[in-house]
Amino acid sequence: AQSVTQLDSQVPVFEEAPVELRCNYSSSVSVYLFWYVQYPNQGLQLLLKYLSGSTLVKGINGFEAEFNKSQTSFHLRKPSVHISDTAEYFCAVWAAGNKLTFGGGTRVLVKP
Amino acid sequence: DSGVTQTPKHLITATGQRVTLRCSPRSGDLSVYWYQQSLDQGLQFLIQYYNGEERAKGNILERFSAQQFPDLHSELNLSSLELGDSALYFCASSVGPVSGANVLTFGAGSRLTVL
Repeated sequence: AQSVTQLDSQVPVFEEAPVELRCNYSSSVSVYLFWYVQYPNQGLQLLLKYLSGSTLVKGINGFEAEFNKSQTSFHLRKPSVHISDTAEYFCAVWAAGNKLTFGGGTRVLVKP
Repeated sequence: DSGVTQTPKHLITATGQRVTLRCSPRSGDLSVYWYQQSLDQGLQFLIQYYNGEERAKGNILERFSAQQFPDLHSELNLSSLELGDSALYFCASSVGPVSGANVLTFGAGSRLTVL
């Protein structure tokens, strides 16, 4: 079975500061990895995905994530956040034969 | 607008009642997924349909059922409702049957409050 752990439930950050959201997964087989964002009162939207190839993945809105197989991590980063980045962020993992599994989410609050 | 339409947006009902949530997938998508989001359980996968057939089952209670119709819209039926069923119910859709190989497009959700 696979699982996803998002190590921080809440991350407060000042506007224009960098942010990193941590995600670790467990799986005995190769995985696909995703980050989704949920803005207030909306559904989830895909930020980026890792299927194969380069371990550094660039997504929308200036976000990027790095896949680290040895540490089973897929941390999300943005060098400079905006107020509009205030949202909840979900890491998700999928392995063959399994369903897409989401982490518990990290709430990012960007302060002016 | 993601292209996935969910109705109703909000629903308030009493314990013991039955409700139906409706989802229309994005045009061209054949798979529909149902998720439950609550504060204590997070985002939980309930069930998936692909082209009318049940494809995968998650943590769906026996009091809950779903189906996908020939026009590909889906309905999630929740019966004998309990206070703990209060949650945001999301529908998502994708082109193919495999959730990991396809990007899921989510609807805005249906917020169910059971009093």
